[in-house]
Amino acid sequence: DTAVSQTPKYLVTQMGNDKSIKCEQNLGHDTMYWYKQDSKKFLKIMFSYNNKELIINETVPNRFSPKSPDKAHLNLHINSLELGDSAVYFCASSPLAGGPANTGELFFGEGSRLTVL
Amino acid sequence: AQTVTQSQPEMSVQEAETVTLSCTYDTSESDYYLFWYKQPPSRQMILVIRQEAYKQQNATENRFSVNFQKAAKSFSLKISDSQLGDAAMYFCACIQGGSEKLVFGKGTKLTVNP
Repeated sequence: DTAVSQTPKYLVTQMGNDKSIKCEQNLGHDTMYWYKQDSKKFLKIMFSYNNKELIINETVPNRFSPKSPDKAHLNLHINSLELGDSAVYFCASSPLAGGPANTGELFFGEGSRLTVL
Repeated sequence: AQTVTQSQPEMSVQEAETVTLSCTYDTSESDYYLFWYKQPPSRQMILVIRQEAYKQQNATENRFSVNFQKAAKSFSLKISDSQLGDAAMYFCACIQGGSEKLVFGKGTKLTVNP
């Protein structure tokens, strides 16, 4: 019973294509995130959402558009894919920041490896 | 904004021995949390240990313990009785209380030699 699940796990596509990665969490958390892990393993936050509302947007190109239809889902759509978009994308969730249940810990999905050819 | 620095890109240890991974951080807040996450080749991010900044006592989880030096802003991870399954990337991370932004260090790749 996976807590944070991402699909697809692997994605290979051509430059210029548009692709989406989906994320769902069944933990009842209010906050969801997308992180990017580059080829050097560096993890950097891209976006965070609280109850469908965008909270953090870390100067990510406009080609990346997150969408949160409800607080259990946060999808990532990428337009006009470029070689530099190749990375592992991690979805994560946590209880509401500053709330009584929050311990700062993020719960991560298994990651989606995107390869742009 | 907080920063996290891991100065050891790679470390190795013999099975059953002890190894310490270094981490320093910088934050202007007094309320924050520190973490060590493990990423094995399966790439799943696994929480190893957590430390609340307001707690003076060092956190421990079985063979894993931390040396939290608040004044020096240092948060090292000690792995005792290393096992082959401990081989992974280890990431130190910091989040300010009430914030949504968990900031990671660049990671340390740990190899465990049989």
